[in-house]
Order: sequence, then structure tokens, then C-alpha cells
Amino acid sequence: QVQLVQSGAEVKKPGASVKVSCKASGYNFTSYVIHWVRQAPGQRLEWMGWISAGIGITKYSQKFQGRVTITRDTSASTVYMEVSSLRSEDTAVYHCASPSSWVYYDRSGYFAAFDMWGQGTMVTVSS
Amino acid sequence: EIVLTQSPGTLSLSPGERATLSCRASQSVSSSSLAWYQQKPGQAPRLLIYGASSRATGIPDRFTGSGSGTDFTLTISRLEPEDFAVYYCQQYGNSLTFGGGTKVEIK
Repeated sequence: QVQLVQSGAEVKKPGASVKVSCKASGYNFTSYVIHWVRQAPGQRLEWMGWISAGIGITKYSQKFQGRVTITRDTSASTVYMEVSSLRSEDTAVYHCASPSSWVYYDRSGYFAAFDMWGQGTMVTVSS
Repeated sequence: EIVLTQSPGTLSLSPGERATLSCRASQSVSSSSLAWYQQKPGQAPRLLIYGASSRATGIPDRFTGSGSGTDFTLTISRLEPEDFAVYYCQQYGNSLTFGGGTKVEIK
């Protein structure tokens, strides 16, 4: 069974960092690209960045460049997303997402439609 | 950045009716790299359509995607009770952005 399982909810103070994990199972982890998408209350979905699970290259949305770091541990089939210098506006549900097949990718081979999603991790930033 | 504008914001319909949702892009979406998702409260989005018109695995044929360039449409031919949800479009041909969503509610 193909699935992405994320770590649990977090409560952080402004200025702190948070690291969310996303463990993949049931498919060839290193063959695909895993993305992070967040959804703040009442807001649209927002793409944050991706990592190529096999070779480890990353790309970030300009909005999050310098404040978000995505890494992976291939031995654990797990991707991590860390956000630093948290502020109240970072309160959101954070999802990892990935296509399970090459048919979902665009021509670049990195951006895609996502048929697999993690269950979401609620991150609350509050003093 | 490509901005996606969805309309209407809310669609009030009865089960059995036809739903037509619009997604307009601020510039042309390359290779028809446009997807549609359904999201219910407390759940992750569910992929319905990719490549503007291809149904994802397991998606009923009452869901149809169409369009190209800057104008895309998701049609639900006959609404089932489980179809009342929020629908998002997403473009993935030039970085990745999402629309603001259309809520399909029971009239």
C-alpha cells in the first residue's frame, strides 16, 4: 500500500524552528520527487518546495527560500521539512505530496500533479 | 508566477444536478499541466484530473476536465452526495500554484 505518513502536530513560539517528517512506504522512494504544500486557515494551498529523493537536489518557492530546508534520509525513506524563524502567519497544515507515476509529471520531471498526500501536520505558532 | 482564479467562489446545487467549475490562469499553462483536486474538511486533497483532461486512477467518469491555454473547466455531470466539497485547480507547468478554490455546497 502506497502511503506517506507525517509526524504529529507541533506548537511553537515565534522565532523558533519546526521540523516535520514524511515517511514513504509501498513505492520506490528514491525514484520520485517529494513536495511540500501548506494550507493556512482560510487560505489557498501554497507550494513550498521539492526534493528529489534519489539525488537530493532541492528547489524552493521564492517566498520560502532561505527559511525552509528540505532534506531526506534514504535509509529511512523519509523526507524532512524545516521552517525557521517561525511567525504567526506560518500557522498552517503542512502536507508532503508526491506523484506515484511518471504520467503525473510535467516535462521538467520535477513539478507534477499529486496523487499521494500525507495526512497533514498542523503547526501552530503562538506566544 | 502564474495566478489561478477560480469561479464561482461557491456553487449551491442539489444532488443530481450538473456542476461547472472554472479556473482561469494569468498566463498560458504549458503542456496543459493543469490538475483538479477535491478536498473535504480535515482531509488532504484528492487528485481528480491531471493533464487538464485525464482522470486519475479510480475517479468516476462523472468528473470531466477540459480546456487549454488559460481557461480550464471541471464538470461534474450529476452530483452525488459525496461530491459536496471544495475543489482546487493547480498548474504545474511553470513552477506550481493553486487556485483559491470553489466550494460546492448542497442547496
